Amino acid sequence: KNEVEQSPQNLTAQEEEFITINCSYSVGISALHWLQQHPGGGIVSLFMLSSGKKKHGRLIATINIQEKHSSLHITASHPRDSAVYICAVSLRRNTDKLIFGTGTRLQVFP
Amino acid sequence: DSGVTQTPKHLITATGQRVTLRCSPRSGDLSVYWYQQSLDQGLQFLIQYYNGEERAKGNILERFSAQQFPDLHSELNLSSLELGDSALYFCASSVGGTHSEKLFFGSGTQLSVL
Repeated sequence: KNEVEQSPQNLTAQEEEFITINCSYSVGISALHWLQQHPGGGIVSLFMLSSGKKKHGRLIATINIQEKHSSLHITASHPRDSAVYICAVSLRRNTDKLIFGTGTRLQVFP
Repeated sequence: DSGVTQTPKHLITATGQRVTLRCSPRSGDLSVYWYQQSLDQGLQFLIQYYNGEERAKGNILERFSAQQFPDLHSELNLSSLELGDSALYFCASSVGGTHSEKLFFGSGTQLSVL
């Protein structure tokens, strides 16, 4: 079993839909990252969380440390949000290692 | 633009060869991290350098090595290349020395081993 699991693996949405991507992990962590990777390969860091909730524009990330779960929400989705979203955790026992989820491929259609 | 520069963008080489990938971190960042993204294994952390010193090792093969120079740029050396080393190699940088802070990624080097 992977230490970081994401769901769903693939997600298709219509423009303006509210989207949720989930990340569960089985290890103690010091931080959780949400990354975005567009076709063409570049990776952008969206959020880094250690507790609570963060918001940036239409994106919201939450984390529940007790339940070992994080969610990434996209409000009023747009075709330019189409990308792979990757969850990654920094291990509490060793904050210098990052473990990645397998990613959620999102396609938003007009 | 993240401020992290990776060169080259694409590299095609043959099995058994050696290549060097280069990463220049954002101005002021002391840490450089290297990652490999392959179709079968996804993203994996390889190695981290902080202010010239190796800080952490991940799933880095013995055929691979890295270093960080006094000007803080880093190089990842891949030797005795195999078909399975074909992947996208990313570097990232951060101000401090851990993964518990925001990371800034380069655009990657696509390595094809033929």
